[in-house]
Amino acid sequence: NAGVTQTPKFRVLKTGQSMTLLCAQDMNHEYMYWYRQDPGMGLRLIHYSVGEGTTAKGEVPDGYNVSRLKKQNFLLGLESAAPSQTSVYFCASSQLNQARYTFGSGTRLTVV
Amino acid sequence: QQQVKQSPQSLIVQKGGIPIINCAYENTAFDYFPWYQQFPGKGPALLIAIRPDVSEKKEGRFTISFNKSAKQFSLHIMDSQPGDSATYFCAASMRSTGNQFYFGTGTSLTVIP
Repeated sequence: NAGVTQTPKFRVLKTGQSMTLLCAQDMNHEYMYWYRQDPGMGLRLIHYSVGEGTTAKGEVPDGYNVSRLKKQNFLLGLESAAPSQTSVYFCASSQLNQARYTFGSGTRLTVV
Repeated sequence: QQQVKQSPQSLIVQKGGIPIINCAYENTAFDYFPWYQQFPGKGPALLIAIRPDVSEKKEGRFTISFNKSAKQFSLHIMDSQPGDSATYFCAASMRSTGNQFYFGTGTSLTVIP
C-alpha cells in the first residue's frame, strides 16, 4: 500500500534547465495537488486536478505546468528553472467529496 | 494575501504541558478545518479536523476548539510528549473549489523532556 509516491526525492538544477516531477497514487483518488513549501510561508498550492485530463491553477502557478493524462499520475514541470523555485515540493491526493489529503514524502529541489 | 493566519511561529514547552496553536481566517465559505502534523523529511499527515457546525472535537490528546463568530480555531495538545515535537499546520478548505486547502504558515513545536 504505497499511497502517494513522489520521484525524485532530491534534485539540483542549474538555472534555465527543465525537469519534471512525478507524482503517483494508488488509492484511486480523483483529486491531486502540487504544493510548494518554503520556510515561513507554509504550503502554497501550485496547480491541482479534479480528474483525469483536467488541471487548474492554484495560488502560485507561474513558472510551472502540469499534466494529468492518467488518473493515478500528476506531473509537475519546470520549463526554465529559476533560483526562486528552490523549494520542497509536495504532491497530495484526495477522494471525491472528501477533504482529506494524503501527502507524498516530498521532493527537495535546489536551483543554482 | 494569507487566507489562514497561524500563530505562534514556534513554541517550546516542557513535557506534560499544553501547547496551544491558533489560527484565524476571513472567508466564511470555508467549511472544513484540518490540522496537519509534519515530521522532518516527511510529508504532512492529517491529525484532526473539524467542520463549522461543532465547537470542539477531541481525538486522544488532541483537541480542536472552533469559534465560528470570531473566525478562529485552535489546536490544544494535552500532556504533550517529546514525540509530539513537529511542525503543525492549520488549513481551511471549501468543497466548491475541489477541496483546495489554504494552509497556515506552520508552528514548530518542541517538547522538552
